[in-house]
Amino acid sequence: AQTVTQSQPEMSVQEAETVTLSCTYDTSESDYYLFWYKQPPSRQMILVIRQEAYKQQNATENRFSVNFQKAAKSFSLKISDSQLGDAAMYFCAYRRGAQKLVFGQGTRLTINP
Amino acid sequence: EAGVAQSPRYKIIEKRQSVAFWCNPISGHATLYWYQQILGQGPKLLIQFQNNGVVDDSQLPKDRFSAERLKGVDSTLKIQPAKLEDSAVYLCASSWGPGSGNTEAFFGQGTRLTVV
Repeated sequence: AQTVTQSQPEMSVQEAETVTLSCTYDTSESDYYLFWYKQPPSRQMILVIRQEAYKQQNATENRFSVNFQKAAKSFSLKISDSQLGDAAMYFCAYRRGAQKLVFGQGTRLTINP
Repeated sequence: EAGVAQSPRYKIIEKRQSVAFWCNPISGHATLYWYQQILGQGPKLLIQFQNNGVVDDSQLPKDRFSAERLKGVDSTLKIQPAKLEDSAVYLCASSWGPGSGNTEAFFGQGTRLTVV
């Protein structure tokens, strides 16, 4: 079974600084998708960024970028120029095709003004 | 487009009572998911529907949980009888069906259930 591990229960960063959240996963598949979701106190999961495993190029969405290391099964999220609105729980997730999303345990990110 | 709608937002019940949650997915989304998120953990899939058929219910506690999606649109999740350990946020999500090329799942705001 696929598993997703986030080893950092909590992270904090100064406003305007850069922070990296870690994620590792385990799968025997070669074709899959990886995601980072943000969950603010409102509880609604919001997609931050998506990576297709067959693409070597790391995905980027404005201030958010990933470091995808397929051989190492590592998928970290880098947030540049951190803003107060970035404070939330961040979940790494794995999905193969139309199957279920498998989530990690989450990392609580705090932004210090 | 309208998002995934869930109701109620909050529910408090006593153990052994029953409770039902409702979800209306994004129009046209064939796939619907119910996730359980216990405080401090990541969401865990309870059941996945493809139109009105069940794709995955391997982690659904079938002795007390049931779900249906009769017309392939909205869905209800029921717990009967509830236990203290059922206290959690119940998230509904939807996505386009397989073969659509779009893998994004959209989530509702969830229902926070407290069992006392």
